[in-house]
Amino acid sequence: KQEVTQIPAALSVPEGENLVLNCSFTDSAIYNLQWFRQDPGKGLTSLLLIQSSQREQTSGRLNASLDKSSGRSTLYIAASQPGDSATYLCAWMDSSYKLIFGSGTRLLVRP
Amino acid sequence: GAGVSQTPSNKVTEKGKYVELRCDPISGHTALYWYRQSLGQGPEFLIYFQGTGAADDSGLPNDRFFAVRPEGSVSTLKIQRTERGDSAVYLCASSFSGAEGYTFGSGTRLTVV
Repeated sequence: KQEVTQIPAALSVPEGENLVLNCSFTDSAIYNLQWFRQDPGKGLTSLLLIQSSQREQTSGRLNASLDKSSGRSTLYIAASQPGDSATYLCAWMDSSYKLIFGSGTRLLVRP
Repeated sequence: GAGVSQTPSNKVTEKGKYVELRCDPISGHTALYWYRQSLGQGPEFLIYFQGTGAADDSGLPNDRFFAVRPEGSVSTLKIQRTERGDSAVYLCASSFSGAEGYTFGSGTRLTVV
């Protein structure tokens, strides 16, 4: 059974710091990997999607990498801002397009 | 529509009652998914529709849960004899095929008292 683990569970940083969120998965038969953002009481917003043939994707201050051999993905956030405060979820997608989510990292960026 | 719409946004029901949760996907999206998210956890897969048929219902926790998508657009998740443990946020997502990723709705927060 696929398991997705996110570390740390919670993170509090001062504004301006660069930070890394980690995601690991047990099954390397991955179709793609997605990172989502979830604000309190809201649905999920897709941030980045990395296909299994890709190593990384970038969008603005966000960069996500994928290493299938080690079963890991990282989300790098540059120059963090208070507006980045949210829960970040990684999700592994299998060949039937079903997403398996981690429990998320709750990020607080302090002004 | 412009996004995935879920109604109601909040539902409070008494233990043992029947509830229906509605999902209106993005127009033209043939794939529709239901997930359930408990507090402090990531969403868990419930069921996936491709068109009108349930392609994968392996995530439904028991036979009290049922979902339909009769015309290949709107879907309804039905829960019979609700229990307090059913309290969660129920999320719906849609996609053209699934491969390019999904768009999620804002969810329905179900509270069983």
